[in-house]
Amino acid sequence: GQQVMQIPQYQHVQEGEDFTTYCNSSTTLSNIQWYKQRPGGHPVFLIQLVKSGEVKKQKRLTFQFGEAKKNSSLHITATQTTDVGTYFCAGISGTYKYIFGTGTRLKVLA
Amino acid sequence: KAGVTQTPRYLIKTRGQQVTLSCSPISGHRSVSWYQQTPGQGLQFLFEYFSETQRNKGNFPGRFSGRQFSNSRSEMNVSTLELGDSALYLCASSLRDRGIGELFFGEGSRLTVL
Repeated sequence: GQQVMQIPQYQHVQEGEDFTTYCNSSTTLSNIQWYKQRPGGHPVFLIQLVKSGEVKKQKRLTFQFGEAKKNSSLHITATQTTDVGTYFCAGISGTYKYIFGTGTRLKVLA
Repeated sequence: KAGVTQTPRYLIKTRGQQVTLSCSPISGHRSVSWYQQTPGQGLQFLFEYFSETQRNKGNFPGRFSGRQFSNSRSEMNVSTLELGDSALYLCASSLRDRGIGELFFGEGSRLTVL
């Protein structure tokens, strides 16, 4: 079945360093969404990408959708302690199922 | 505007029992989906309902079922509980269906099966 892999699984960075998580789908996606889950919390929507090659920015966060619509990335510039949490991508297939990646758990060391 | 409400927040059951979890979506949202979250497997899609109809179903055994009522509230039921069913069950509602709407998650129902 359709799978969405996300790497790395864990990432520890010093505050101020950059961070990137990658999402790869086994099939072409209709669109992709990114969510952030703080420790003990629930996933919260960050952004949606729809077009091939799309790039969107939210302050220090940059999201990209691959040309083939099978991969995506989230890059955080100059991490802060408030960035701590698990970042999930969710690929939406042609059958409109949300297939979540395994998540990348980010720890930021002050 | 109230968010997605899930009840109960925590529950403990024993193997063989059954459990019913409830989800009240954001007012006006007609799409409700359910996910199982475990440390090893991440977020696994269970099913999605829209206007009382099951639109999509994940790869879970028939012990997992759900339904949606006319007011968009949804319930999921797990029968004959197994130890491996211990997880956080998250409900999410969306204003738009067909995978183009952002998901608003509830706080989840944490189920422990002993």
